[in-house]
Amino acid sequence: QQQVKQSPQSLIVQKGGISIINCAYENTAFDYFPWYQQFPGKGPALLIAIRPDVSEKKEGRFTISFNKSAKQFSLHIMDSQPGDSATYFCAASMASNYQLIWGAGTKLIIKP
Amino acid sequence: DADVTQTPRNRITKTGKRIMLECSQTKGHDRMYWYRQDPGLGLRLIYYSFDVKDINKGEISDGYSVSRQAQAKFSLSLESAIPNQTALYFCALLDIKVDEQFFGPGTRLTVL
Repeated sequence: QQQVKQSPQSLIVQKGGISIINCAYENTAFDYFPWYQQFPGKGPALLIAIRPDVSEKKEGRFTISFNKSAKQFSLHIMDSQPGDSATYFCAASMASNYQLIWGAGTKLIIKP
Repeated sequence: DADVTQTPRNRITKTGKRIMLECSQTKGHDRMYWYRQDPGLGLRLIYYSFDVKDINKGEISDGYSVSRQAQAKFSLSLESAIPNQTALYFCALLDIKVDEQFFGPGTRLTVL
């Protein structure tokens, strides 16, 4: 049973464009929503995370938008750069146990 | 990555063999995790430990066992490896002060 659904599976964006990756969750007890970035041969690394008390969080070119009623959250990468090419994972957990449930991942390619 | 080390980085083994994957950390964090990554499935939690005496099953623990020999070391064992355990395995630790899981570089395991 997949509790966190991520789309699209892959995404190609021109340099300078906006990359958008979406996730939907089922468990209303989740209260911690991170996005991880993974480069080939490396472990995932936390990019940005949000808790449901806010609808948006921005860190540099990366923004999470969160819609609690729709049980959806998304990652926006502004002014996408070739160095952003990686696989991105959304995840969700309850902060009480930090057991992350992961989306299937999105392979992002930024074309120069 | 530097805070979590995993050995070996690559391993090829045969069906039925027992194999152990090692994970160690230098930062003194209590909570450690073992994940499995498969293409198109994201990461799935195998086991997690909140301290040396606290071991918990994750969503896919069947066929695996773990040992927390010390706060710094958390090992994953496959008692009798089978081909569908071929995957990328990640160890992680939780830095609860910053709400972030840090991942090791991963072990690529192939079971023939």
